[in-house]
Amino acid sequence: NAGVMQNPRHLVRRRGQEARLRCSPMKGHSHVYWYRQLPEEGLKFMVYLQKENIIDESGMPKERFSAEFPKEGPSILRIQQVVRGDSAAYFCASYEDQGGTEAFFGQGTRLTVV
Amino acid sequence: DQQVKQNSPSLSVQEGRISILNCDYTNSMFDYFLWYKKYPAEGPTFLISISSIKDKNEDGRFTVFLNKSAKHLSLHIVPSQPGDSAVYFCAASVAGGTSYGKLTFGQGTILTVHP
Repeated sequence: NAGVMQNPRHLVRRRGQEARLRCSPMKGHSHVYWYRQLPEEGLKFMVYLQKENIIDESGMPKERFSAEFPKEGPSILRIQQVVRGDSAAYFCASYEDQGGTEAFFGQGTRLTVV
Repeated sequence: DQQVKQNSPSLSVQEGRISILNCDYTNSMFDYFLWYKKYPAEGPTFLISISSIKDKNEDGRFTVFLNKSAKHLSLHIVPSQPGDSAVYFCAASVAGGTSYGKLTFGQGTILTVHP
């Protein structure tokens, strides 16, 4: 049973470009959470999605950031017109469908904006 | 507004001794607490958790203690091993509600276990 898969592992973007981060949850998991970790800080919640629905986006910046989790395929975190302050590690976590209490994290995508 | 705090950025321990990592929280709605371990360039890995109805949970070398009145929890690792060297994150959640898996993390504590 493969774990939570994130790609790419590393992403370099110039200021103003778009960044797309992908997350495939564990098999049987339809709950996906995205977190961001800035340097020297803990992980901060961004958004919670279930298949085709955004459940809680209270941690998402209001502009430039969006997330989706389509019926087929991975969850996507999209950052438009990236700025240097977006440089961070982005992690996704998934939960089992029966309401498990443990989140399984992917290895993260390290975004660097130059 | 840091609702979960780990006030020790780092901890250094000798192999075989006990490591004690501490965590404080301010939100009284939190009722489920977890510890995660993280190596560089990897995602967090779940270690152990505790519900607010308990004050202690053990799993092998790892024990988590919860003091609800003090809003404090701690992770004990006995005996510590060099392979335990990593960043440890405390996290909290509200088990009920629509976002039950939404975790609030502390800043992390870097544990170094010396041979």
